[in-house]
Amino acid sequence: SQTIHQWPATLVQPVGSPLSLECTVEGTSNPNLYWYRQAAGRGLQLLFYSVGIGQISSEVPQNLSASRPQDRQFILSSKKLLLSDSGFYLCAWRASGFSYEQYFGPGTRLTVT
Amino acid sequence: GNSVTQMEGPVTLSEEAFLTINCTYTATGYPSLFWYVQYPGEGLQLLLKATKADDKGSNKGFEATYRKETTSFHLEKGSVQVSDSAVYFCALHYSGNTPLVFGKGTRLSVIA
Repeated sequence: SQTIHQWPATLVQPVGSPLSLECTVEGTSNPNLYWYRQAAGRGLQLLFYSVGIGQISSEVPQNLSASRPQDRQFILSSKKLLLSDSGFYLCAWRASGFSYEQYFGPGTRLTVT
Repeated sequence: GNSVTQMEGPVTLSEEAFLTINCTYTATGYPSLFWYVQYPGEGLQLLLKATKADDKGSNKGFEATYRKETTSFHLEKGSVQVSDSAVYFCALHYSGNTPLVFGKGTRLSVIA
């Protein structure tokens, strides 16, 4: 069966510090991968998605970036965090082909102080 | 464009009450439709789905029917429990590798 991991689970970082959040998927090959953010009490905001290694689509222009160094690994980064980067970050995957549902990881709670 | 509209929350119900959360969509072609549930502090879980008109998705006592004529996919449950308290998201998929399009979510609180 497939599983998705995210770490860390929680993170407190000062303004201006760098960020690296990691997501890995097990039990599948060539998945589509996604990064979302939820601000407190708000809906989902799609940040990036990837349909293959090195292929990243950015949905929102901001100080975040994403990379996919391996087939089942997706990394969200920032060089300098802003207060507005605080939120709940969710990674998700979808099997390639004709199955369209996305499966979400447990999330990372980021607080920028 | 493609979009999903959900009823504004929060929705507060007493235990054993009937639940309806409205969801309507705008999409080109024939989208697949989904309901997700998010419990506090957790990621989203797929609750049910429907891939073509008149399909009924069901899971854990929840149901939703894909109504093409009204472009709707309303979520229903006959008797809610306190443990159903969560945020519910309606979503659609319309084309190829495009990500799901999500509604803004509806918060449900069930009180004993």
